[in-house]
Amino acid sequence: GENVEQHPSTLSVQEGDSAVIKCTYSDSASNYFPWYKQELGKRPQLIIDIRSNVGEKKDQRIAVTLNKTAKHFSLHITETQPEDSAVYFCAASGGYGGATNKLIFGTGTLLAVQP
Amino acid sequence: ETGVTQTPRHLVMGMTNKKSLKCEQHLGHNAMYWYKQSAKKPLELMFVYSLEERVENNSVPSRFSPECPNSSHLFLHLHTLQPEDSALYLCASSQLAGGPGFPHTQYFGPGTRLTVL
Repeated sequence: GENVEQHPSTLSVQEGDSAVIKCTYSDSASNYFPWYKQELGKRPQLIIDIRSNVGEKKDQRIAVTLNKTAKHFSLHITETQPEDSAVYFCAASGGYGGATNKLIFGTGTLLAVQP
Repeated sequence: ETGVTQTPRHLVMGMTNKKSLKCEQHLGHNAMYWYKQSAKKPLELMFVYSLEERVENNSVPSRFSPECPNSSHLFLHLHTLQPEDSALYLCASSQLAGGPGFPHTQYFGPGTRLTVL
């Protein structure tokens, strides 16, 4: 079935360094790739997303890249700050032709930014 | 209150109890979702409602019974649960996709932390 793999499961960086989280998906028909940030005890919140007709998207310190051929997409956070510490989830959607969004989530990456 | 709300935020129940989780969205969306979030596992999609009609049921045990009386409200009725059903249950909503190639963002509620004793 459809599957999304996410690596690493935990990531510790020093404040100011960059962080990269990688995901691969199995359904070649997937066409929408959101990233969610979930702080401890809070709801997942969308931080950035990318559609399959775009290879890269950037929003201030956050960027996402997509390689459709390899079925890879990655989240890049530059100049990390302690408030970036959270669990990050990637997801892949679409591909089944329905009118609703079926999101397949990765297992999450716990990012810890050390001050 | 704006966004997606869920009640209760915490629930402890025995295996023989019957309880319901409630979700309400104030975003004017017309699709709603139930997810289960367990430790060290990906978010699992349980049910999808599109225009109040169930369009997805991911092999969820019958002890979980969803209800969507209108586009703003979603319920998850629980009965005779098992301890392994303990998890965070998240509700989400979105607009219907603008065609198969144009899905819309899902917005999540804060979740209900369920513990089954």
